[in-house]
Amino acid sequence: AQTVTQSQPEMSVQEAETVTLSCTYDTSESDYYLFWYKQPPSRQMILVIRQEAYKQQNATENRFSVNFQKAAKSFSLKISDSQLGDAAMYFCAYRSYTGANSKLTFGKGITLSVRP
Amino acid sequence: DGGITQSPKYLFRKEGQNVTLSCEQNLNHDAMYWYRQDPGQGLRLIYYSQIVNDFQKGDIAEGYSVSREKKESFPLTVTSAQKNPTAFYLCASRSGPSRGNTEAFFGQGTRLTVV
Repeated sequence: AQTVTQSQPEMSVQEAETVTLSCTYDTSESDYYLFWYKQPPSRQMILVIRQEAYKQQNATENRFSVNFQKAAKSFSLKISDSQLGDAAMYFCAYRSYTGANSKLTFGKGITLSVRP
Repeated sequence: DGGITQSPKYLFRKEGQNVTLSCEQNLNHDAMYWYRQDPGQGLRLIYYSQIVNDFQKGDIAEGYSVSREKKESFPLTVTSAQKNPTAFYLCASRSGPSRGNTEAFFGQGTRLTVV
């Protein structure tokens, strides 16, 4: 079974600075998807960024980028130029590529606070 | 506008009662999911369904039941057998298994409290 581990329960960053959120996962599959979701105080889950395992290039979405290390099974999220609106819980998630198993597995999340 | 609607937003249940949480989507998505969120536990999968009239147990299915009679709807029943049902429940949906359809969309959640 796939597992997703986020070992840091909380992190803090100064506004305009850069922060990296860590995530590791365990799988025996070679093809899969990885995601970072954001959950602000409203509790609405919002997709931040996704990565297909077959792509070697790291995904980037504006101020958000990932460091995907397939061999190490590591998928960290870097937030550049942090803003007050980035304060939220962030969840790392894994999903198998094969259609027969569309189970979406989440880590326990990390609470990010942004200091003005 | 397309989206996922969960209702109600807040729900109170007396001990020993069954209660059903609603999840409806008009995104024409094939797959639907139910998660439970507790502080410090992340999102834990209760049930998921990839097509109508078919569903699979997730990691914490005991005390819950679901149905998928229509593509748009995936209601979750919290039964009296669920020993600790107070939690925040999230429903999600995702399009078919083709390579280009990867992300899940979420509803706004239902907060269930046992009184």
